[in-house]
Amino acid sequence: AQSVTQPDIHITVSEGASLELRCNYSYGATPYLFWYVQSPGQGLQLLLKYFSGDTLVQGIKGFEAEFKRSQSSFNLRKPSVHWSDAAEYFCAVGMFSGGYNKLIFGAGTRLAVHP
Amino acid sequence: DTEVTQTPKHLVMGMTNKKSLKCEQHMGHRAMYWYKQKAKKPPELMFVYSYEKLSINESVPSRFSPECPNSSLLNLHLHALQPEDSALYLCASSPTLGETQYFGPGTRLLVL
Repeated sequence: AQSVTQPDIHITVSEGASLELRCNYSYGATPYLFWYVQSPGQGLQLLLKYFSGDTLVQGIKGFEAEFKRSQSSFNLRKPSVHWSDAAEYFCAVGMFSGGYNKLIFGAGTRLAVHP
Repeated sequence: DTEVTQTPKHLVMGMTNKKSLKCEQHMGHRAMYWYKQKAKKPPELMFVYSYEKLSINESVPSRFSPECPNSSLLNLHLHALQPEDSALYLCASSPTLGETQYFGPGTRLLVL
C-alpha cells in the first residue's frame, strides 16, 4: 500500500544545532515529494518540493532535502535551527491515483527548539 | 503571490445551524481542494475541484456540501454537523491537478 512514514513524532533540538527530519515512502513509481511546515493554529506552508532532476533541493528558510531512491527517503535538513522553526513538519508524497496526484501525508514531526 | 485566503478564521456553530466556509485564490489556479485536519493529525482530503467541477469526493458525509461558483472561489456549506466534525478546515489550490498545492490558513470550526 502507498504510505508515508515519519518515524519521529517529537524532536527537540537546541537553537543553533543542526536538524534532520526523516521521511520514508512506499510507492512503486517515482513520486512527487514535498515538505510542509505548520505553525500552531495555522495552515501549511510549502518548504520545498522534488519532482525530478537534482536530488538535493533547496527550500525556503534555509531548509534542504535530499531524495534517495535506494532508501525511499526524502529527509529534511537544516544546518542551524532558529527558535522560530518550532512547528509541525509534514512530509507528503503526490501519488497518481484516480486520475490525479493525491497528496499522502505522513503523521508529522513536532519540532521543539530549546534556547 | 501564492496566497490562499479563508474566512472566517474561527466559527462556532450548533448542530442545527447552517454555515458556510469560504476560500479564495487569485493565482489563476484551476484546481481547489478542501481538507479536514483534526488536532495532532495530518490533513485529510475531502473534496477536489478541477475547472469548477467536482472531481473527487472522498466519501464525505452529505452534511458537508462543496460549491465552486467560479475559478477563484470555493465554498463549503455546513448543515447539521456533529461535535466530531470540529476541526481545522483547510483549503488549497494548485495550477492544475497534480501540481504543487498551496494552502490557506484554515478555518477553526467548533460544533457544539
